[in-house]
Amino acid sequence: GIQVEQSPPDLILQEGANSTLRCNFSDSVNNLQWFHQNPWGQLINLFYIPSGTKQNGRLSATTVATERYSLLYISSSQTTDSGVYFCAVEEDSSYKLIFGSGTRLLVRP
Amino acid sequence: DSGVTQTPKHLITATGQRVTLRCSPRSGDLSVYWYQQSLDQGLQFLIQYYNGEERAKGNILERFSAQQFPDLHSELNLSSLELGDSALYFCASSGPAGAQETQYFGPGTRLLVL
Repeated sequence: GIQVEQSPPDLILQEGANSTLRCNFSDSVNNLQWFHQNPWGQLINLFYIPSGTKQNGRLSATTVATERYSLLYISSSQTTDSGVYFCAVEEDSSYKLIFGSGTRLLVRP
Repeated sequence: DSGVTQTPKHLITATGQRVTLRCSPRSGDLSVYWYQQSLDQGLQFLIQYYNGEERAKGNILERFSAQQFPDLHSELNLSSLELGDSALYFCASSGPAGAQETQYFGPGTRLLVL
């Protein structure tokens, strides 16, 4: 099955710093989503981005499907950005999302 | 708020017992997915239903079963519970296609088996 690798596994930032999270996947995908899991455990949709670039406020994401990777950019980080960021992909017509192991982000005031 | 609701939020039970987790999808969504998040296995897909029919199956144990009702809500039944079943169980829903669409996740049910 498809493999999803996220890097870095852990990241500590000072408030106001920028960061880039990476997701590599081993096969072609129909669906790629980025999620933020907050400290209360809730999974929050950030982007649905099987290809191309999207922006939402301080967050943006780019997926290069032909090279099998996606990047999540966080600018001017805030303490509320802390949590775990997951990338998840759907193999061709498989219906299920395969999650990476996540990047744990801590933003210090 | 994703629009997906799950009950209960927390559940504490004993080994050998049976529990039922409930999920209501977003209005208009036909697909319901169940995922399990545990410390050792991460987030794993269990099963998908589309408009009442099972469509895809993942790493779901035989002790677990699910169904989707005519009103599109879904239930996940966990029986003969073991300590290792302690986890956060998520339900997600998506629209008519059931694939290649955004999956929206509910708040989860945190299960603790003692």
